[in-house]
Amino acid sequence: GQQLNQSPQSMFIQEGEDVSMNCTSSSIFNTWLWYKQDPGEGPVLLIALYKAGELTSNGRLTAQFGITRKDSFLNISASIPSDVGIYFCAGPSGNTPLVFGKGTRLSVIA
Amino acid sequence: NAGVMQNPRHLVRRRGQEARLRCSPMKGHSHVYWYRQLPEEGLKFMVYLQKENIIDESGMPKERFSAEFPKEGPSILRIQQVVRGDSAAYFCASSPPLGGLNYEQYFGPGTRLTVT
Repeated sequence: GQQLNQSPQSMFIQEGEDVSMNCTSSSIFNTWLWYKQDPGEGPVLLIALYKAGELTSNGRLTAQFGITRKDSFLNISASIPSDVGIYFCAGPSGNTPLVFGKGTRLSVIA
Repeated sequence: NAGVMQNPRHLVRRRGQEARLRCSPMKGHSHVYWYRQLPEEGLKFMVYLQKENIIDESGMPKERFSAEFPKEGPSILRIQQVVRGDSAAYFCASSPPLGGLNYEQYFGPGTRLTVT
């Protein structure tokens, strides 16, 4: 099946710094979803992207749907401690409702 | 407006026992999905159901695993004769009817199954 590759796998940043992470695929996706998962909880939908080139914001989060349709980017500005968690990209692929990447683990140092 | 509910949150079973995981979708959502997550991994799709119908079970092991979403009541993921390798977090998600381009799914808090 399709695979989504996320990078970096993990990152440690200082509070207040901006964060960038990305998600790539070897084939085209028509929808990109970004989720955040806190320890012991289920993923929470952050942003949904439906058009190539689309740039969408949700507070300090901004995500972009790459124009090749094979990648997406998530940026977090001015990080705070509660941004800690695992960020997943996901998208529908063939008959599979959602395929997930393995996540980017974010740690914020106060 | 309650979100997706799952119970139990934690479940311990001995090898060979049965595990039943329950999921109540968000109000107004008629589609339910089950995913499995191993430590340090992303979520893996298992099965997609509508009321009284299995739409896609391509991600579910052929043996010992079954799922249902009856006309009344929650969706159930059933694992018979559990083995240690079944230990994982199982997440349920729900969505409104898939129309147009809406693929957004909303997740419950998960059930963490431990097989001893």
